[in-house]
Amino acid sequence: GAVVSQHPSWVICKSGTSVKIECRSLDFQATTMFWYRQFPKQSLMLMATSNEGSKATYEQGVEKDKFLINHASLTLSTLTVTSAHPEDSSFYICSAQTGPGSPLHFGNGTRLTVT
Amino acid sequence: DAKTTQPTSMDCAEGRAANLPCNHSTISGNEYVYWYRQIHSQGPQYIIHGLKNNETNEMASLIITEDRKSSTLILPHATLRDTAVYYCIVEKAGGSYIPTFGRGTSLIVHP
Repeated sequence: GAVVSQHPSWVICKSGTSVKIECRSLDFQATTMFWYRQFPKQSLMLMATSNEGSKATYEQGVEKDKFLINHASLTLSTLTVTSAHPEDSSFYICSAQTGPGSPLHFGNGTRLTVT
Repeated sequence: DAKTTQPTSMDCAEGRAANLPCNHSTISGNEYVYWYRQIHSQGPQYIIHGLKNNETNEMASLIITEDRKSSTLILPHATLRDTAVYYCIVEKAGGSYIPTFGRGTSLIVHP
């Protein structure tokens, strides 16, 4: 149980375009979803916390107008990287929780390459 | 939330037990110890968590010291597929928290 599906697994886009990444909890309802970014050989960096039906809470230094997060239902959160630039190229990972303090269940990540 | 410290890297022979330590000396009474691992180019995977009692599941065992200031994740019979980065984090039960990851321990299991 507790499967999180993230799509797409990889994407290549041109500079200036937008990319949407989906994160779905397949067999449970996720009250909270988290979005992380990971650069090569580094740890996961939390970008934002997303609660169903409310605005996401962004970490310091993360531009909310550039990384749009929507958590429209208890099973789906999306991250849209707007006007992507090469420096946005990274590994983006979502995770979901059934409730506060419960284990995190992660998607398999999305490798974004901006050319 | 309490911070954790872990060795940067470890290695172990296939079939032997892998013991991964974690120090969390500032842990508070309502914080759990969670372990995750990340195999290269994949999303992290939940392994196990505990509060103060030792825990075991199909993946691993978690030994927490009596003062709760440190813990050890034990993979009883490591395989090559256990090669991964292992993260130890602490988080509060109930209430909201921000799960943050340190650099973890890179475990290499060799033949």
